[in-house]
Amino acid sequence: DAMVIQNPRYQVTQFGKPVTLSCSQTLNHNVMYWYQQKSSQAPKLLFHYYDKDFNNEADTPDNFQSRRPNTSFCFLDIRSPGLGDAAMYLCATSRESSGANVLTFGAGSRLTVL
Amino acid sequence: GQNIDQPTEMTATEGAIVQINCTYQTSGFNGLFWYQQHAGEAPTFLSYNVLDGLEEKGRFSSFLSRSKGYSYLLLKELQMKDSASYLCAVMDSNYQLIWGAGTKLIIKP
Repeated sequence: DAMVIQNPRYQVTQFGKPVTLSCSQTLNHNVMYWYQQKSSQAPKLLFHYYDKDFNNEADTPDNFQSRRPNTSFCFLDIRSPGLGDAAMYLCATSRESSGANVLTFGAGSRLTVL
Repeated sequence: GQNIDQPTEMTATEGAIVQINCTYQTSGFNGLFWYQQHAGEAPTFLSYNVLDGLEEKGRFSSFLSRSKGYSYLLLKELQMKDSASYLCAVMDSNYQLIWGAGTKLIIKP
């Protein structure tokens, strides 16, 4: 029944060791988003895709990369995680990018950096 | 700059009513959303307002005043499971979602 699935739910990595987080959706939504959320803070948009069109937020560090090989899947790569990258990473989807743009979130991937 | 303000934390009693306020200053306005987020979980959609007034959905209602840049989420007949953070988000003129940091609601028996 799950509609937006993120893996892994929990990821522990060492400082500087690359990490890939995955997201898949069964909703056939056009738009996919990656958010970073730290404790008691607002979600921070890192990237979003409208279909295959990639949109990088201006303040997203180069350390973060993303891929969307097809409509259903999206990946977040953190090339050299630092201690400041420890956070919950949320994938979300929406049918469109305007109007009553309700986001459906996955359960999140919690990243710990040692 | 764009800004969403919400109280950091609120406490209420089971069975009571609580109102969570949100004020915003954004470049344009294309709707306001409320999401509920339980600790360690993903946000889930609660309500959407684009016109002034009150939208009621069961125990939850959301109000919007565009001229005042103000919204509130009203929760009635509070239950322990309503303990969560409540996030206010505004869609600006570029259809970008601007998020508040959330209000942590603590329900006491």
